[in-house]
Amino acid sequence: AQKITQTQPGMFVQEKEAVTLDCTYDTSDPSYGLFWYKQPSSGEMIFLIYQGSYDQQNATEGRYSLNFQKARKSANLVISASQLGDSAMYFCAMREVNTGFQKLVFGTGTRLLVSP
Amino acid sequence: EAQVTQNPRYLITVTGKKLTVTCSQNMNHEYMSWYRQDPGLGLRQIYYSMNVEATDKGDVPEGYKVSRKEKRNFPLILESPSPNQTSLYFCASSLTPQAATNEKLFFGSGTQLSVL
Repeated sequence: AQKITQTQPGMFVQEKEAVTLDCTYDTSDPSYGLFWYKQPSSGEMIFLIYQGSYDQQNATEGRYSLNFQKARKSANLVISASQLGDSAMYFCAMREVNTGFQKLVFGTGTRLLVSP
Repeated sequence: EAQVTQNPRYLITVTGKKLTVTCSQNMNHEYMSWYRQDPGLGLRQIYYSMNVEATDKGDVPEGYKVSRKEKRNFPLILESPSPNQTSLYFCASSLTPQAATNEKLFFGSGTQLSVL
């Protein structure tokens, strides 16, 4: 069974608008971490935001926020006030503590295109 | 500057010609890992290493070898590359091998490999 599901292969948004990228996950481990990475056209992987399973509040980092709904097992990334530079591939990833190691399991990604 | 350095950035080779992709980190990280990224599949782990002389298979290890003789270096070796190994490869590292949920992976800038 897929552990991380990103159902949106591509998303379009106009500059200055907000956009939500969906991510659902599957785990039986009560302790886990969720990550979002951005991959611009240059190819590097840029860490954006982290949410722990025991965190009481949704994570925020500047224009990025994570809409964490634990009961629904979703961890959607919200980008406010989109900019042209936000056009990129976005990956959701999860680490389960019971794996014992640093393995991140990734989703298939969502390509975001921001138009002027 | 703290970083993970991969070389080369681009590589075109022919079937069966042995190649090595180098990876080096300057952060004294214990854990290192290789991922491959393919369209529609996201990132999948090839091999990982918890420390010097400690390596293990990830999810897609077939056709690859690794070694960890020094803490900073973790080369990926393709003894006899085949076209199905055409992919974007990432080396990643983190401080410890134990799965603290909030410990993020630092990624190299990627190696785009084409096997003809």
